[in-house]
Amino acid sequence: DAGITQSPRYKITETGRQVTLMCHQTWSHSYMFWYRQDLGHGLRLIYYSAAADITDKGEVPDGYVVSRSKTENFPLTLESATRSQTSVYFCASIPGGGTGELFFGEGSRLTVL
Amino acid sequence: SQKIEQNSEALNIQEGKTATLTCNYTNYSPAYLQWYRQDPGRGPVFLLLIRENEKEKRKERLKVTFDTTLKQSLFHITASQPADSATYLCARVGHDYKLSFGAGTTVTVRA
Repeated sequence: DAGITQSPRYKITETGRQVTLMCHQTWSHSYMFWYRQDLGHGLRLIYYSAAADITDKGEVPDGYVVSRSKTENFPLTLESATRSQTSVYFCASIPGGGTGELFFGEGSRLTVL
Repeated sequence: SQKIEQNSEALNIQEGKTATLTCNYTNYSPAYLQWYRQDPGRGPVFLLLIRENEKEKRKERLKVTFDTTLKQSLFHITASQPADSATYLCARVGHDYKLSFGAGTTVTVRA
């Protein structure tokens, strides 16, 4: 099915472990984004990418790494997970050239113990 | 920095009434403001967009207004139904399509 798919949907890990959240979209949208959502803060931008091999920091990038070797994939890696990174992570995409309507994945709920 | 504030965390209304949600922004007016709906455990879904030069936009039972003088957008759900119960997010579109979101308002419609 066409759309944007995140995996895993749920993940429990321990402090200090590396975790990678995957995001795959089938539309060939130019722009992709990673947001985290926490109570009281709403959605905050972690990283975004305007095209393959082009990435840039958002509002809260510390502790995260991204890559975009292919247009359709935009993985987010927590190199050494901390408890403060317990959150729900959303991947989203935009085709570019429009008015910025975001298409979101279903989210990945990460718990860091 | 550009801020978006939704000043009500929760709104409880009776079925059939109109729900009105407020979104305020700081500094310069964005070219667009967007509204999204988010159901529990799901990703946000785009509802409506309003441009800076538009006063009002409608889509079925939804209406959005944009007042650049007050730096405010209002989102109305008319003839509300229990199925309208969800969290509604306001967002401003910035450079490179980076959206800044408000914290959201959770609407509960009582039958």
